[in-house]
Amino acid sequence: GQNIDQPTEMTATEGAIVQINCTYQTSGFNGLFWYQQHAGEAPTFLSYNVLDGLEEKGRFSSFLSRSKGYSYLLLKELQMKDSASYLCAVRASSNDYKLSFGAGTTVTVRA
Amino acid sequence: GAVVSQHPSRVICKSGTSVKIECRSLDFQATTMFWYRQFPKQSLMLMATSNEGSKATYEQGVEKDKFLINHASLTLSTLTVTSAHPEDSSFYICSAGQGRSLGAFFGQGTRLTVV
Repeated sequence: GQNIDQPTEMTATEGAIVQINCTYQTSGFNGLFWYQQHAGEAPTFLSYNVLDGLEEKGRFSSFLSRSKGYSYLLLKELQMKDSASYLCAVRASSNDYKLSFGAGTTVTVRA
Repeated sequence: GAVVSQHPSRVICKSGTSVKIECRSLDFQATTMFWYRQFPKQSLMLMATSNEGSKATYEQGVEKDKFLINHASLTLSTLTVTSAHPEDSSFYICSAGQGRSLGAFFGQGTRLTVV
């Protein structure tokens, strides 16, 4: 099966930076996704990495190292609305496009 | 970005009845859609892959006769929970996409409560 690990919870102060790590061991690799999910809502797409390196989108950046089976999501200038669960997901195959999800990291932003 | 619309957002049904959930891709054609369920404070579990014009592929442990999936067009997939029981109460979410970002966009989710 696929194994995707991320921390359960993180807490940070408004305006600060938080880095959410994700490590994966999968049967193959065809891309890694990060999603944001507020309680009771569906996940919202944040980023997609398939090549090594950093992808930056405004306050959010995502990094991938395929050789290390590692990714992180960096949230800068934290705002209260960033309090949510962040899901790391890996697509293992280019044939079936299934996503395997980590358990999610709950980020709490405090004033 | 792409928009995926899911309906209804909430439904309460009586035990033994069936419920249909729709998932539509609004501005693109989706040859493949995915159905997930999510229990409180848990991550998404893939239930099945819905393929336009062919039978859905179910994940191990998911009853295909209980969770009927139909993908009759390039913009619509439906999930029908048949003979629902309280243990089927959950958050059901679909996703759709094509190409590089396949599977990247989710519908709003459906909160099913079976009483």
